[in-house]
Amino acid sequence: KAGVTQTPRYLIKTRGQQVTLSCSPISGHRSVSWYQQTPGQGLQFLFEYFSETQRNKGNFPGRFSGRQFSNSRSEMNVSTLELGDSALYLCASSSTGSDSYEQYFGPGTRLTVT
Amino acid sequence: AQSVTQLGSHVSVSEGALVLLRCNYSSSVPPYLFWYVQYPNQGLQLLLKYTTGATLVKGINGFEAEFKKSETSFHLTKPSAHMSDAAEYFCAVSGASGGSYIPTFGRGTSLIVHP
Repeated sequence: KAGVTQTPRYLIKTRGQQVTLSCSPISGHRSVSWYQQTPGQGLQFLFEYFSETQRNKGNFPGRFSGRQFSNSRSEMNVSTLELGDSALYLCASSSTGSDSYEQYFGPGTRLTVT
Repeated sequence: AQSVTQLGSHVSVSEGALVLLRCNYSSSVPPYLFWYVQYPNQGLQLLLKYTTGATLVKGINGFEAEFKKSETSFHLTKPSAHMSDAAEYFCAVSGASGGSYIPTFGRGTSLIVHP
């Protein structure tokens, strides 16, 4: 099976702009989670989508949003970018079987805000 | 509620030496425990997991971990370090708390392997 793919891999944006990141899960996986990884805060959970519905949400401001499509592909959007949003954004997918708590990660999108 | 503590942000070993990365967890429900590895500019890759059953879990690349409920620990070991093991390692805990299996990750331990 193909793994989790994320596009783009690298992105440079200016403060105040908005950005959309994309994630394609492993075929058959219906859950997609997003994480922000920074040196200072480590891995922080943003949100999880399952069957096009947000199922769990982390403690991030409303500038961070996401959605999931009927084919399980997911996008996350960050509006009004701040310098502190510079991070590696990781997407992870899970199946709905007994190992649904095991997550498979994509390579990430490195976002730099200048 | 659940949490993970990884002792030591950096661990340095010589090639061929024992690798020991420490992880302690806190969970209000029976935990599922994971170790992930992250190489530079890559995502996280699952090394091994404990869900139920045998408490000694073997993973990829010669790593193993032992679930010790009494000590709330899940330490990662490898008998002989290779240069290719140099990476960031993350311990994670998950459990059916409030219907959510979202894992909580530790802050990570950077493994440095000296020739």
